[in-house]
Amino acid sequence: DAGVTQSPTHLIKTRGQQVTLRCSPISGHKSVSWYQQVLGQGPQFIFQYYEKEERGRGNFPDRFSARQFPNYSSELNVNALLLGDSALYLCASSSGQDNSPLHFGNGTRLTVT
Amino acid sequence: GQNIDQPTEMTATEGAIVQINCTYQTSGFNGLFWYQQHAGEAPTFLSYNVLDGLEEKGRFSSFLSRSKGYSYLLLKELQMKDSASYLCAGLRTYKYIFGTGTRLKVLA
Repeated sequence: DAGVTQSPTHLIKTRGQQVTLRCSPISGHKSVSWYQQVLGQGPQFIFQYYEKEERGRGNFPDRFSARQFPNYSSELNVNALLLGDSALYLCASSSGQDNSPLHFGNGTRLTVT
Repeated sequence: GQNIDQPTEMTATEGAIVQINCTYQTSGFNGLFWYQQHAGEAPTFLSYNVLDGLEEKGRFSSFLSRSKGYSYLLLKELQMKDSASYLCAGLRTYKYIFGTGTRLKVLA
C-alpha cells in the first residue's frame, strides 16, 4: 500500500507569493494533519482535518489555510509568504480514532527568498 | 504549560543500550508517542504509551509515568542505523505536541 504522498517535494518562492501544498493520505485514513518543521526543531501543529471538517488549528496566522476533499486528500495554502515561512511542511494521516499514531509523508521543503 | 523537554544530543556505542528521557509539564495528554527521524526524512512512528508502564517492541521499549510527567525510550543493541533524531510527542485531543528532539549519534 502507498504511504502518505506529498507534492511538490521542493519549492522555491519569493516573499509575498502564495503557495499550495498537496497531500494524499494512506488509503482508509480519514484524518489529515499538517505540521511545520524548521531545522533543529520538532514539528509544529498547523491544522487537523477529519471527514472534511477542520478539527483543530495551531498558533499560525490567518495566512495559513487548508481544506480536505471528499477523497480525504488535503491542501495547505499559505498566502503573502514571509522569509520565516521557509521550512519543511509535513502532512500526516491517521485513522482518526483515539490514540491512532500519525503516519508522515516525506514533506515539502519550502524556501522563501 | 505544554513544554516537552528532551536532551538535545546523546552519543552511544554500537551494541550498547541508550535511554532517551522526555519530561512534560502538562496534564491532559491522551498518550505519549515516540518517533524516529533520520536527517532529511519524515518522522516514523516507533512506540506509544497510553497507560503507565513499559511497552516493548523488539529493540525499542517506551515507558510512561503520567503522575511524574515522564517518559523514556530505550534502545537496545544499538546499530549504526539508529543514528537519528528521536522525537517525543504528547497527544492532546487531536493535536500532537512535539519536543525538539534528541539527536542520537551511534559510534562504532
